[in-house]
Amino acid sequence: NAGVTQTPKFQVLKTGQSMTLQCAQDMNHEYMSWYRQDPGMGLRLIHYSVGAGITDQGEVPNGYNVSRSTTEDFPLRLLSAAPSQTSVYFCASSPGREAYNEQFFGPGTRLTVL
Amino acid sequence: AQSVTQLDSQVPVFEEAPVELRCNYSSSVSVYLFWYVQYPNQGLQLLLKYLSGSTLVKGINGFEAEFNKSQTSFHLRKPSVHISDTAEYFCAVSRASGTYKYIFGTGTRLKVLA
Repeated sequence: NAGVTQTPKFQVLKTGQSMTLQCAQDMNHEYMSWYRQDPGMGLRLIHYSVGAGITDQGEVPNGYNVSRSTTEDFPLRLLSAAPSQTSVYFCASSPGREAYNEQFFGPGTRLTVL
Repeated sequence: AQSVTQLDSQVPVFEEAPVELRCNYSSSVSVYLFWYVQYPNQGLQLLLKYLSGSTLVKGINGFEAEFNKSQTSFHLRKPSVHISDTAEYFCAVSRASGTYKYIFGTGTRLKVLA
């Protein structure tokens, strides 16, 4: 199993550009989520999904869109990039929506917005 | 709502010395508690978790944590650290019922010195 994969690993955008961060998992996990990691702030939940076709907002959803058309993929779209979105983005998956489940994390995407 | 506090942003410790990383949480409902580790330029991986039962939980790489309900704490300990333990450690809490959302602490950077 490849686990959770994310592409790209690094990305530089100009303010106003849009892009999609890709996330895929091959573990048939029901639950997937996106976090951003900023210095001194830990990980903050952006969006999550409890199954194909079902998504919901997390703690910091503004400026981001998600969709879940398949169990495997959970892309994160930046609609109009802003410098405040400079961060490291992590995708995670979990076997089920139950709170006791471990989350499995991808290697991250480091995004810089100029 | 739940919250997690990691009071120490950085902890330097000499190799083979013991270490304790502190985590306090706040919640009006039952929670599950987790410790994750992030090695440089990698995603997070689970160290250990507390769901119920024995308050002393053992994890990977010789780490253990003790759940203290009266003090709302879940401190992580290791009796003898190695250089390879240098990483960032995150405490997380998840509500035991209802919507599944992790809340992460801000992280503690453990630096093991030779």
